[in-house]
Order: sequence, then C-alpha cells, then structure tokens
Amino acid sequence: DSGVTQTPKHLITATGQRVTLRCSPRSGDLSVYWYQQSLDQGLQFLIQYYNGEERAKGNILERFSAQQFPDLHSELNLSSLELGDSALYFCASSPSSSYNSPLHFGNGTRLTVT
Amino acid sequence: AQSVAQPEDQVNVAEGNPLTVKCTYSVSGNPYLFWYVQYPNRGLQFLLKYITGDNLVKGSYGFEAEFNKSQTSFHLKKPSALVSDSALYFCAVRGPRYVDTGRRALTFGSGTRLQVQP
Repeated sequence: DSGVTQTPKHLITATGQRVTLRCSPRSGDLSVYWYQQSLDQGLQFLIQYYNGEERAKGNILERFSAQQFPDLHSELNLSSLELGDSALYFCASSPSSSYNSPLHFGNGTRLTVT
Repeated sequence: AQSVAQPEDQVNVAEGNPLTVKCTYSVSGNPYLFWYVQYPNRGLQFLLKYITGDNLVKGSYGFEAEFNKSQTSFHLKKPSALVSDSALYFCAVRGPRYVDTGRRALTFGSGTRLQVQP
C-alpha cells in the first residue's frame, strides 16, 4: 500500500458532464502530481502542486483544472467530458518538490465516458 | 525536451533466466532516472533510481539497473526472473533543477510488458 488514496475507483459518466476526482497524499507529503494513463497516449503528466501552489503544468487541457487544499488533499476537475477523456487517472505524492524523491502512486480512478 | 524510449513492447523470459528491459533517454544536462513497475489494476510502484554516483543501481525485489552515459541508456536487469515479476515496467526521466517549469515532472516511457513463463 503506497499510502496515497484516490476516490472514486471507478466513474462512469456521459459526454458533456463534469466530474471531480479526489486524492489524499501520503502523510507528510507536500507534493501532489496528477497523471493520465490511456492506451494510445501512455502515461501523461497533467499537473503538480506543492503545498497548495501550482508548481508545474504538463499536457493538461483547458477543460481540466486542479487544486490542492490546505489539508494537502487534491482534486482534479474534468468538465465538458469527451469520449477521449476515458482513461485511468493517477495521483502521486512525494515529500517535497525535490527531484530526488520517488513518487508514490495511488491505485487510480478509472473514468469511462459514454 | 526530455524524452524516454522503451523499444520493446513486450519481453518474454523463462523463470530462472536473467532478464533485461531496455530504456534510452534524452535530456539536457544530467539525468535523474527511475524505474517503476505496475501490476494489474494498481498504481505504479517505485523500483529504483539513478541520480549520481555508481553506474550500477540496486533496487527493490532484486532488480538493478545500469546507467550508461555514452549510450544514454538505463536498462533494468535481474539475474533470475520470477513468475511474479510479470508486470508492466516503466522507465522515467526527470529534468535537472535548471530546466524550466514545464519539464520538472517525470516523463515516462511507453512501458514494457514483462512476461515470465514458468
């Protein structure tokens, strides 16, 4: 068990809808990362937060947004959903924003857009 | 921009034989390199990392990786494969501190499925 908790495990919704994915990092970890894993795109970095502030941004669509709250949990909001957004969304955490720190991944949220 | 390539979609090996999963990278400056493993319906698990120092890095579950700067490679190895090693393996690279904000996070390879036959 990595100590990173993601909810829900599965989410099925329709095109055009909006969903929120939640992540609780390992105790003491200040950095939270969001990744999208799909069959055709592989594992894509979306965004990173460190202690409540956005630290790095990757291939995140404008329809997607995220935030990290004072208790360090993070939420990823996906809106105007399209079929192509169906994927496994992972949250990962690390103690700091240091490059030496390995990431600890949650088990993911599987999103299916119908 | 940083990138990492895993040239093999799948590697098949018999139990007890040595295994190698290949990874090559491209990054400005000194690379920070990682291997992760993903079991079905699970998140990625950290195996080992290379930051600096000895080119042979030892990690979890008997895995090791060899950093080769001239060949820009970081191949994952294990002397004797187990059936339980069957999983999806990802190589990843993180840019050094002086790279601009957009490239600080891990960039993952496409993954290599390791199948160990009994």
